[in-house]
Amino acid sequence: KAGVTQTPRYLIKTRGQQVTLSCSPISGHRSVSWYQQTPGQGLQFLFEYFSETQRNKGNFPGRFSGRQFSNSRSEMNVSTLELGDSALYLCASSLSGATDTQYFGPGTRLTVL
Amino acid sequence: GESVGLHLPTLSVQEGDNSIINCAYSNSASDYFIWYKQESGKGPQFIIDIRSNMDKRQGQRVTVLLNKTVKHLSLQIAATQPGDSAVYFCAENLRSSASKIIFGSGTRLSIRP
Repeated sequence: KAGVTQTPRYLIKTRGQQVTLSCSPISGHRSVSWYQQTPGQGLQFLFEYFSETQRNKGNFPGRFSGRQFSNSRSEMNVSTLELGDSALYLCASSLSGATDTQYFGPGTRLTVL
Repeated sequence: GESVGLHLPTLSVQEGDNSIINCAYSNSASDYFIWYKQESGKGPQFIIDIRSNMDKRQGQRVTVLLNKTVKHLSLQIAATQPGDSAVYFCAENLRSSASKIIFGSGTRLSIRP
């Protein structure tokens, strides 16, 4: 069974731009969670989607948004990029969320110049 | 508040010895704990988990211990191998927050030949 895939793997943007990242979960998984990883803040939860609905949200500004499609694929969008948004963005999928094991993708490395 | 922390940021172990990575958590409402391993350039990889109704769980070469009295979690790796070199994160799932996983800051495990 294929793992979680994320595209693109690397991205360079400039301040003020917006970006969309994509995540394809493991087949059969309906929950997709997004995390931001930085050296200073570590791994921080952004949000979780289940059945096309945002079920949980972390403490990030409204510039960070996401959505999930009927095939469970998910996208996250960051608008008006700031230098501090440079990070590794990780997606994780699980069968139904909650205490199901989450499997992570390789991440998208976003650099904001 | 919500916080998961690690006692040591780095750990150096002789190849073949056992490794013990410690973690403290502060939220007594957490009922599910997970250890992840992250190698350079990859997303976190699930190692082992434990629910709050247990105090010990064993996997292949790994054991997780949970002490709810002092809110302490540890990961023991037997016969540490070079391939165990990575950053290890403990994480907790908050009962009230469904799939929101709170990660600790991580411990880098390095293996001496």
